[in-house]
Amino acid sequence: SYELTQPPSVSVSPGQTARITCSGDALPKQYAYWYQQKPGQAPVLMIYKDSERPSGIPERFSGSSSGTTVTLTISGVQAEDEADYYCQSADSIGSDPVLFGGGTKLTVL
Amino acid sequence: EVQLVESGGGLVQPGGSLRLACAVSGFTVSTNYMSWVRQAPGKGLQWVSTLYSDETTYSADSVMGRFTISRHISKNTLYLQMNRLRAEDTAVYYCARTLTLDTWYLDLWGRGTLVTVSS
Repeated sequence: SYELTQPPSVSVSPGQTARITCSGDALPKQYAYWYQQKPGQAPVLMIYKDSERPSGIPERFSGSSSGTTVTLTISGVQAEDEADYYCQSADSIGSDPVLFGGGTKLTVL
Repeated sequence: EVQLVESGGGLVQPGGSLRLACAVSGFTVSTNYMSWVRQAPGKGLQWVSTLYSDETTYSADSVMGRFTISRHISKNTLYLQMNRLRAEDTAVYYCARTLTLDTWYLDLWGRGTLVTVSS
C-alpha cells in the first residue's frame, strides 16, 4: 500500500533551521500539506499546496517540493515550535483520499 | 468565530455503538466537505470518513460498513455513527472541514473527543 514516509524525530537548537522531509512516489503529481500538533491539541494546518502558508501562520514556516520529497522548513526555530508535524497527501490509487505520514517529533534542544 | 466542537465520546464495550457529534459555528456544514479523522493513543493521524456537500460519503476500508457519517442541516452538525466497535477503534476523533485542490486537505479542526473501546 502507498505510504508517506517521515523521519520519526528531528532535533534542533533554538534559532537554527529545522527541515522535516516527507517522501512518497505520488508526490510529484499531488499536492502535499503539513500540520502541526502540540500535545493534547488538535492539528493545525501550516502549509497547503506544497508551499502556501495559511493566514496567521508565521513566515518562518515554509514548504517546498522536489521530486518524490516534500520538505517543511522552519527557519529560526523557537521553543514554541516543538511539536509533532504530519505531512498529508492522498493515496495515488484513490483508496485513501486523505493519507498522513507517520509524523515527525520536532525537539527544540 | 469559527468553531468545531466534538462530543459524544466515552467508554463503550467491544461490539457496542456510539454516536459522535460535531457542532459547527462560523460556516455551513452542508456547503462544505466534512471529515472525521482519528488518532489512537500515542499514534499518528488516520482519516476515517468524509461527507461531500451533495451527501455522498466516502470511508476508510477499516470502518466501511460499521461507521456512518451524516449531518443535520438545521443544527449545522456533523455526526459519526459508530457500530460494532472494536478495541482498535480506540482513539481521539476529530472533525474537520475539508477543502479540495487536486487532493483533499483539512483546514479547520475541532479539539476532538475520546472514544475508548474496552470491556
